[in-house]
Amino acid sequence: DIVLTQSPALAVSLGQRATISCKTNQNVDYYGNSYMHWYQQKPGQQPKLLIYLASNLASGIPARFSGRGSGTDFTLTIDPVEADDTATYYCQQSRNLRALTFGSGTKLEIK
Amino acid sequence: QVQLKESGPGLVQPSQTLSLTCTVSGFSLTSNSVHWVRQPPGKGLEWMGGIWGDGSTDYNSALKSRLSISRDTSKSQVFLKMNSLQTDDTAIYFCTRSHYYSAHGWFAYWGQGTLVTVSS
Repeated sequence: DIVLTQSPALAVSLGQRATISCKTNQNVDYYGNSYMHWYQQKPGQQPKLLIYLASNLASGIPARFSGRGSGTDFTLTIDPVEADDTATYYCQQSRNLRALTFGSGTKLEIK
Repeated sequence: QVQLKESGPGLVQPSQTLSLTCTVSGFSLTSNSVHWVRQPPGKGLEWMGGIWGDGSTDYNSALKSRLSISRDTSKSQVFLKMNSLQTDDTAIYFCTRSHYYSAHGWFAYWGQGTLVTVSS
């Protein structure tokens, strides 16, 4: 299975930039697409899709959120962070459609 | 609009079988895939498996021997059955739908989730 590694936690000051990383143990690129996606999950809620195919903003997601990367290294950036962005952020790969995997999540604290 | 709703028992005894239903609306099960994702209390997300638009299934290799996912397209329902439950199967179980097409392996629509506790 493709393993996704995320740092456990990150603290960022209000109005600053938050950069969350996700590294994979295998290349998740295929035919020009990077099969990496990002979700936000707040306590007691279901996950919400933020970014798909590494850099595409999902419907209704503010442009403060952006994603980039390719191959095995990906980042989710929130700029500027707002208090409501306090949440856990998960990356997920679909390069191997038969064995989808999530990262362990990065808990974002806004100072 | 697209909706998914999980239902099933909140409490299951150890060694018993868990049966959950995901009732969907606003889309066709033959055009989109539906997957199950679970989350133990205070922990991360785990993909369990899914059923694709053509009816084929895939499972997490760690759960494959215990897990079965099926559907009834006429009732717009997807079913999860997992046997030999243990306490570490205690989790919130979500059903979720692929983004635009069945082969999209990322999830734009989620149910609210249902908490399943494994305890005697």
